[in-house]
Amino acid sequence: EAQVTQNPRYLITVTGKKLTVTCSQNMNHEYMSWYRQDPGLGLRQIYYSMNVEVTDKGDVPEGYKVSRKEKRNFPLILESPSPNQTSLYFCASSLTRGRGFYNEQFFGPGTRLTVL
Amino acid sequence: AQTVTQSQPEMSVQEAETVTLSCTYDTSESNYYLFWYKQPPSRQMILVIRQEAYKQQNATENRFSVNFQKAAKSFSLKISDSQLGDTAMYFCAFISDSGAGSYQLTFGKGTKLSVIP
Repeated sequence: EAQVTQNPRYLITVTGKKLTVTCSQNMNHEYMSWYRQDPGLGLRQIYYSMNVEVTDKGDVPEGYKVSRKEKRNFPLILESPSPNQTSLYFCASSLTRGRGFYNEQFFGPGTRLTVL
Repeated sequence: AQTVTQSQPEMSVQEAETVTLSCTYDTSESNYYLFWYKQPPSRQMILVIRQEAYKQQNATENRFSVNFQKAAKSFSLKISDSQLGDTAMYFCAFISDSGAGSYQLTFGKGTKLSVIP
């Protein structure tokens, strides 16, 4: 089944404790990205990646790191989480070949993160 | 930077009626794509409909259609014959394909739609 998976789905942690949220897709997509969703703010892009070893900042990259060592994986790293990073996080992927950015973005199920 | 504005935080519609959700965007790019995504209470993001900016014909997907006004930078979503399953948060989104090096997908803040039996 074609899908984007994220782990963990729920996480409660404390300020300053490094964490990683994994994202994996099995559709051979070039483009992957991370978003955070907060009430009243919609989804905001954190980082995106056009392909392996190519990453770029979105609108809200502060406090986050990413890496794209393999095409299928795009982990989100919070080196020192703070309470303002409490949010719902989505990973997404899409093709860029063929119809380019007209291609649908496929979203993971979301990760609910709480930083105390 | 591009912006996407959804001016209706919440809307409601009677079952079987028609509702229109508004979306405006701001960009200086000429080649871009617009999307409407639906997020039901399950939180899953589901693509509803999409439009290529260089195509003048409005996109249609079953009960969902758009009114794309490129000059006005408007991209509204019309839902016909509303069903209870249409109850969800709806997000308008934009991405440009200008080759200028930035490929950010920008979302509006969303419109919460409630379909009333």
